[in-house]
Amino acid sequence: EDKVVQSPLSLVVHEGDTVTLNCSYEVTNFRSLLWYKQEKKAPTFLFMLTSSGIEKKSGRLSSILDKKELFSILNITATQTGDSAIYLCAVLRTGANSKLTFGKGITLSVRP
Amino acid sequence: EAQVTQNPRYLITVTGKKLTVTCSQNMNHEYMSWYRQDPGLGLRQIYYSMNVEVTDKGDVPEGYKVSRKEKRNFPLILESPSPNQTSLYFCASSRTSGASNQPQHFGDGTRLSIL
Repeated sequence: EDKVVQSPLSLVVHEGDTVTLNCSYEVTNFRSLLWYKQEKKAPTFLFMLTSSGIEKKSGRLSSILDKKELFSILNITATQTGDSAIYLCAVLRTGANSKLTFGKGITLSVRP
Repeated sequence: EAQVTQNPRYLITVTGKKLTVTCSQNMNHEYMSWYRQDPGLGLRQIYYSMNVEVTDKGDVPEGYKVSRKEKRNFPLILESPSPNQTSLYFCASSRTSGASNQPQHFGDGTRLSIL
């Protein structure tokens, strides 16, 4: 059974701090790992990682995948209150069903 | 604007009263899926569809039905809802099924309460 574990489950930081969110996985026939940000409604797509060691970056957010050790990290630098959200990690396997197997999410609270 | 639209956004109903949650996407996506999100359990797949008239069970299909008569629509049907189906439901779509590295896009969610 596919498994995705995120840590920590919740985190409180102050504006300007840098945070690292972790995601480890066990999946048969891995294709890619995705990060989503969920505020009050729909999860919104952040990154899709397929290859090891290649950092993806978008503004203050960046993410990298290690396929040997089966984990990924999501970094957020110079955090802002608008970064407060649940961050979801999901893995996609090869095959016809594009099912995403999600972790339980990391609740990030950024205080002014 | 590219989007996945779910209706209703909120619904409170009673046990046994059939209900349908609609999902529509305007991106000509082939793949569509339903998830439910519960505290402590994360998002879990209910059903998915790889194309018109092709549907299959996900991880938690019991008590649900789906249909895919048109490419853009993928309704979720609860024939006889029960309280354990109280949850937050998301519809998602992506361009193609597993052969492609296309991220799934999610609707805004439907919060169902079954009394």
